[in-house]
Amino acid sequence: GAGVSQSPSNKVTEKGKDVELRCDPISGHTALYWYRQRLGQGLEFLIYFQGNSAPDKSGLPSDRFSAERTGESVSTLTIQRTQQEDSAVYLCASTQPLGGGHEQYFGPGTRLTVT
Amino acid sequence: AQRVTQPEKLLSVFKGAPVELKCNYSYSGSPELFWYVQYSRQRLQLLLRHISRESIKGFTADLNKGETSFHLKKPFAQEEDSAMYYCALRTQGAQKLVFGQGTRLTINP
Repeated sequence: GAGVSQSPSNKVTEKGKDVELRCDPISGHTALYWYRQRLGQGLEFLIYFQGNSAPDKSGLPSDRFSAERTGESVSTLTIQRTQQEDSAVYLCASTQPLGGGHEQYFGPGTRLTVT
Repeated sequence: AQRVTQPEKLLSVFKGAPVELKCNYSYSGSPELFWYVQYSRQRLQLLLRHISRESIKGFTADLNKGETSFHLKKPFAQEEDSAMYYCALRTQGAQKLVFGQGTRLTINP
């Protein structure tokens, strides 16, 4: 079946603009995660959704970052007033309902470049 | 805070040679450890997890709680093993993964 999809694949924006990144998880996967990967670094956790609620937002780096999930499906990560340090690949992952072994299935990522 | 360390950013070995990718973690509880792999132009995918105690593509990894390590090993490297490898930790009660910085493995012919 279809894997996790993300859009856009690439986004170039000017400093100060807002951006929205989209994630479509695997159908039936109740948990959804956002990670950020800066150049040459590992993945950095941002936020976790279980259903439509976000019990762990501990990784959001500032109040410019927010995310929502609707219909236990698509999620949107919004970055307001983008800064150059926001440039990174943003990865989304989903997992089966709890007890499904906790393998995270990753999307291809969105490469964000802030100029 | 929990931390995963992969001391080698780059590792290069010859085809047929043994390979070991190091991973150390800091966490006082019972961890769940994973290795994820990203082949060229592909998405990140799970390679193996310690609770499964299985060998995938000839790779094995043993959790050593005394040394807080979860090194990935393969006795005879193949060219198709060239990829980026990430060690990841999940702590008790948490859902998120804490990733190391990754090791780029290159297998030379």
